[in-house]
Amino acid sequence: EPEVTQTPSHQVTQMGQEVILRCVPISNHLYFYWYRQILGQKVEFLVSFYNNEISEKSEIFDDQFSVERPDGSNFTLKIRSTKLEDSAMYFCASSRTLTSGRTGFGGEQFFGPGTRLTVL
Amino acid sequence: AQKITQTQPGMFVQEKEAVTLDCTYDTSDPSYGLFWYKQPSSGEMIFLIYQGSYDQQNATEGRYSLNFQKARKSANLVISASQLGDSAMYFCAMREDPMAGANNLFFGTGTRLTVIP
Repeated sequence: EPEVTQTPSHQVTQMGQEVILRCVPISNHLYFYWYRQILGQKVEFLVSFYNNEISEKSEIFDDQFSVERPDGSNFTLKIRSTKLEDSAMYFCASSRTLTSGRTGFGGEQFFGPGTRLTVL
Repeated sequence: AQKITQTQPGMFVQEKEAVTLDCTYDTSDPSYGLFWYKQPSSGEMIFLIYQGSYDQQNATEGRYSLNFQKARKSANLVISASQLGDSAMYFCAMREDPMAGANNLFFGTGTRLTVIP
């Protein structure tokens, strides 16, 4: 069964360093997302990406964050200058389509296993 | 205002019994989707079940069913015949009408379910 993969599973970095988190979405999916989950808290939306551009982003996704789809398979999240508060689990997700309540099932977002980022 | 509210931080259930995890939501969109995800201790997010706002029937997926009460804006997850492997964190999430430009999920704070042998 196809699945979203993420690398690395755990990244430790020093404050101020740049990190790149990598994701390989499911191959026929068109919509890509990044979420983060600070330890013990809820999952928060960061950004969505479609047709090689950002379609929506949250307040969390400020100028230190960027996303890219450098080739046909990878989807990356870059944090330019990491802060202590960036320590979290970062989830990549993908979906084949969007859906509305009227059309029903089809826009389910499949999540990857996450990358745990620790900023020291 | 919170879009998704899960008022039960923790729940216990006896193995083989049924359990209901509560979720209420807040939206003014007439078209939206409701999701439940399971997060085991290993950390991954596993999709369980989906309910569309216009769906007439409650969604079911194996032992999971969604008790959708639109007027009350609630979307409770019912797990029947609980198993030890059901012990995990459960998140309710909502997506408002993506055709209106919103395609991200809003998550609740989660409920930690512990199944007792």
